[in-house]
Amino acid sequence: AQKVTQAQTEISVVEKEDVTLDCVYETRDTTYYLFWYKQPPSGELVFLIRRNSFDEQNEISGRYSWNFQKSTSSFNFTITASQVVDSAVYFCALSLRSEKLVFGKGTKLTVNP
Amino acid sequence: EPEVTQTPSHQVTQMGQEVILRCVPISNHLYFYWYRQILGQKVEFLVSFYNNEISEKSEIFDDQFSVERPDGSNFTLKIRSTKLEDSAMYFCARRDGSYGYTFGSGTRLTVV
Repeated sequence: AQKVTQAQTEISVVEKEDVTLDCVYETRDTTYYLFWYKQPPSGELVFLIRRNSFDEQNEISGRYSWNFQKSTSSFNFTITASQVVDSAVYFCALSLRSEKLVFGKGTKLTVNP
Repeated sequence: EPEVTQTPSHQVTQMGQEVILRCVPISNHLYFYWYRQILGQKVEFLVSFYNNEISEKSEIFDDQFSVERPDGSNFTLKIRSTKLEDSAMYFCARRDGSYGYTFGSGTRLTVV
């Protein structure tokens, strides 16, 4: 069975600080996909990134970066120079080839001015 | 690609009533999903629907729930005899291409 663990329930930072959200996953399959979604207070799920298990390259998109390490089954998400608008719940999720997404419990990030 | 739109955005219903949550419009996609998120909790899989049939369902998806694609575009989730614990945000999603997923904006169901 697949499992996603986000050990950090809540994180609070001050604007402009860097923050890393942790995600550890479990699966026995060699082919899988990892995702990060953002859920702002308005409630919708906003797609941030998808990474397949064969691509361990780290990715940077503006202030966002992702560190995928198969050796530790982790897919961590870093926000550089955080802003108040980054305040949201962030979910890490895992799927196999054509199956459902399995979500972690989410990390609530609060960025204070 | 068109977005996935859900209606209504918020529904309040009395305990014991039936509700139908809709997911529109749907373009030429084959894979659809319903997820549920109880307030403050994680997003949970309910059911996947492939080529007009249920392909997988979770333990949550019991006889109280059903899904349909009645006219080839809309995708509905019916909850019969609603209970207080059915209060949650319900998300519809479609699978895009190679294992990407687009989520609807959600329907917040409140059972009173």
